[in-house]
Amino acid sequence: GQNIDQPTEMTATEGAIVQINCTYQTSGFNGLFWYQQHAGEAPTFLSYNVLDGLEEKGRFSSFLSRSKGYSYLLLKELQMKDSASYLCAVRAGDSNYQLIWGAGTKLIIKP
Amino acid sequence: NAGVMQNPRHLVRRRGQEARLRCSPMKGHSHVYWYRQLPEEGLKFMVYLQKENIIDESGMPKERFSAEFPKEGPSILRIQQVVRGDSAAYFCASSPSASGEFFGPGTRLTVL
Repeated sequence: GQNIDQPTEMTATEGAIVQINCTYQTSGFNGLFWYQQHAGEAPTFLSYNVLDGLEEKGRFSSFLSRSKGYSYLLLKELQMKDSASYLCAVRAGDSNYQLIWGAGTKLIIKP
Repeated sequence: NAGVMQNPRHLVRRRGQEARLRCSPMKGHSHVYWYRQLPEEGLKFMVYLQKENIIDESGMPKERFSAEFPKEGPSILRIQQVVRGDSAAYFCASSPSASGEFFGPGTRLTVL
C-alpha cells in the first residue's frame, strides 16, 4: 500500500531551527512536495524534490533521500507566522499526477 | 495568470438540499483534484479529474456525491441531499503535468 508518515505535532521557539521529518512507502516515486497550511486557509506550495539532496529556498530547505524513503523540511530563524501545518505529499508514479498526502505536522511556535 | 478559483467561498444549506461547488483551474491546467477537510484534520482526497474524464474517484462517497469537469466551464462537485456530516472545507487543486498541485481558497460548506 501507499503510506506517508510525519509527526502529528511539534513545538519550537521563535528564532530557533526546526526539522520536520517525512517517511514514505509508495509503489513508485516521481517527486516529493511540501506544503504549508495556516488554519482556515488553503495549502500553499513550499518545495519540490525529485533528486536526492538539499534544496534551499530562503529560510526553508527540503532534503530528500530516495533510497531511505525519507525527506525533511528545515525551517530556520523561526517566526511566529510559521505556526501552521506542514504537509508532505508524494507523487507515487508517472502514470498520473495524483499526490499521496501525509496527515500533516502541526507546528507551534512559542515566543 | 489567475490562480485556482472556487465559488462560492461560503455556502449554507439545510439538510436535504443540494450543494454545488465550482472550481476553475489555473490557465493551462488540465488536471483537477477535489479534497475535503474537516476542522483540525488533514486533507482527504476525493476525486481526480481531467477534462471530461474521471481518473480516480476512490475517495468519494458512493452515494450523493458526484463530480464533473466538462470540456467547457468549471469543474463541479455536487452533493445531493446534504447532511450535517457534509459540513467541511472543500478544496480544489489543479496541476499542469508533473509539477505540484495549486490550491484554490476553498468552499466552506455549512449544513444546518
